[in-house]
Amino acid sequence: AQKVTQAQTEISVVEKEDVTLDCVYETRDTTYYLFWYKQPPSGELVFLIRRNSFDEQNEISGRYSWNFQKSTSSFNFTITASQVVDSAVYFCALSEDHGSGNTGKLIFGQGTTLQVKP
Amino acid sequence: DTAVSQTPKYLVTQMGNDKSIKCEQNLGHDTMYWYKQDSKKFLKIMFSYNNKELIINETVPNRFSPKSPDKAHLNLHINSLELGDSAVYFCASSQAASGVYQETQYFGPGTRLLVL
Repeated sequence: AQKVTQAQTEISVVEKEDVTLDCVYETRDTTYYLFWYKQPPSGELVFLIRRNSFDEQNEISGRYSWNFQKSTSSFNFTITASQVVDSAVYFCALSEDHGSGNTGKLIFGQGTTLQVKP
Repeated sequence: DTAVSQTPKYLVTQMGNDKSIKCEQNLGHDTMYWYKQDSKKFLKIMFSYNNKELIINETVPNRFSPKSPDKAHLNLHINSLELGDSAVYFCASSQAASGVYQETQYFGPGTRLLVL
């Protein structure tokens, strides 16, 4: 069965600290897609990144970086030099490819609440 | 221009009432979704439509009925509202959900439903 686990419920850091949000997933498919979304206090869900299972290259976007490791079924998210505006709930999500039966359903982790204090 | 919009943003109603939430996307996407976020922030798929055809119905009570008049709109109608229906409902859309390529889903701002 497919599952996404974000074991860290809440993380609190001081501004300028680096922080890593963990995501571990379970799937039987060999082709799948991983996502990170941000939910700021205003409540909307903001897409951050997508990674396909056949592309293990890590990605960096400004202060954000993602480490995808198929060997450990993990897709961790690091924020470098955190800022107060990074305070939000962050969700990791998985979508499986069932070939012609792909429904596009996103399976979300429980979310990690990040608080960045000034 | 808003990519995925939902109305209303807030909805407060009495138990037993019937209400609708509307969703529109101007991204030209083929697939639209409804997700429910409970009080613990957990997000779960409810429905998905691809080109007006229902493709996901995730064991949701039949008091919930999605309607897709065209591929840019997916509305959610809820009959006989119950206290447990209080949640945030998110609409999302993506380019395609069929085939071997899963496109990214973009979410609307959410509708906060409170049933009293």
